[in-house]
Amino acid sequence: DAKTTQPPSMDCAEGRAANLPCNHSTISGNEYVYWYRQIHSQGPQYIIHGLKNNETNEMASLIITEDRKSSTLILPHATLRDTAVYYCIVRVARGGKLIFGQGTELSVKP
Amino acid sequence: SAVISQKPSRDICQRGTSLTIQCQVDSQVTMMFWYRQQPGQSLTLIATANQGSEATYESGFVIDKFPISRPNLTFSTLTVSNMSPEDSSIYLCSADYDRVGGYTFGSGTRLTVV
Repeated sequence: DAKTTQPPSMDCAEGRAANLPCNHSTISGNEYVYWYRQIHSQGPQYIIHGLKNNETNEMASLIITEDRKSSTLILPHATLRDTAVYYCIVRVARGGKLIFGQGTELSVKP
Repeated sequence: SAVISQKPSRDICQRGTSLTIQCQVDSQVTMMFWYRQQPGQSLTLIATANQGSEATYESGFVIDKFPISRPNLTFSTLTVSNMSPEDSSIYLCSADYDRVGGYTFGSGTRLTVV
């Protein structure tokens, strides 16, 4: 079973920041938080991952709480092309299976 | 970036028949994975395929229904056997390229069973 809980859907205005929350209260010390997204009819795409520090790359920022029980994915300037299902997954860094939960369906609106 | 090719991209099959889906990766990988995504649902892991050993199946999936081959480090196949309409799904393969970012996914095979 997935070890994460996400809201089923969210809306965001184009150009605004999209903040997608994820709860992972049973995360183990050696498990990372990964975020993927799936744009309609495509395979999932990696976005970002982190262990306990906040992370940023060209796509997004990841904020992990100090107790590591929750995290937030931030898309700083959402565009219509960011409309997708976003999955938060916890797994070990190497060799761990990716178990998908239900994800959050993000709709970016003009 | 890593490239995974899946064939066929889509197919319509008669119930009771079998379909083999191929997954080719562009460099050697240790672990490959097969997922099923039923209409409107999330991805469900079917099995993990390591080269040189039998695939490891998740609960609810059995080898007789979903036989998997992994003949080398760049290729794997998934067969959906004795198909019924309930097998209509998107089937995706994934590979662990052992690099930052975790796994890369193919674009999927959209299977319709009639």
